[in-house]
Amino acid sequence: EVQLVESGGGLVKPGSSLKLSCVASGFTFSSYGMHWIRQAPKKGLEWIALIYYDSSNKYYADSVKGRFTISRDNSKNTLYLEMNSLRSEDTAMYYCAKWGGYWGQGVMVTVSS
Amino acid sequence: DVVLTQSPATLSVTPGERISLSCRASESVDTYLHWYQQKPNESPRLLIKYASQSISGIPSRFSGSGSGTDFTLSINGVELEDLSIYYCQQGNSLPYTFGAGTKLELK
Repeated sequence: EVQLVESGGGLVKPGSSLKLSCVASGFTFSSYGMHWIRQAPKKGLEWIALIYYDSSNKYYADSVKGRFTISRDNSKNTLYLEMNSLRSEDTAMYYCAKWGGYWGQGVMVTVSS
Repeated sequence: DVVLTQSPATLSVTPGERISLSCRASESVDTYLHWYQQKPNESPRLLIKYASQSISGIPSRFSGSGSGTDFTLSINGVELEDLSIYYCQQGNSLPYTFGAGTKLELK
């Protein structure tokens, strides 16, 4: 059974940094591209980042480009999202996902002074 | 970026009726269009992939159609458990984008 478990969220101040993790199990993690998607409170879904299976390519939404970095450690079956220069508009539930219908339960990030 | 416009924003339904939700793309996405259902405090659940392909474990009352720029999610015999928000998402070109959603509510 595919499982994706995010962690690392919390309450942080504007301008600070945070690193999210997503541990994968139930499939060959090193063979698949992975995504981060977020959802602000009471809002819709926003795709924010993609990393290829071998980290050869990374893509970002304009809203996070230059501030967020997606990475992965295939030896640990773990996906990461490093978030810098956080803003109030980054407040959201962050999901990791493997295309094909597999999403984690999400982790909440709140950016507030 | 591809803009996905979902309509209606809200649909009031009666259990048992057949309904259709629309998703229109600002440019062709071929059949790289997927439908998700999201209930409060839950992660999105994939209902239909590649416009019309069914997903294992999803009730057969859910079906999808369309290609290019116009897509439809149909529910044949709405049940109370279907009251939630439905999103379409395109995977044809980066950045991948989602529609704003259609909320199904009880009439």
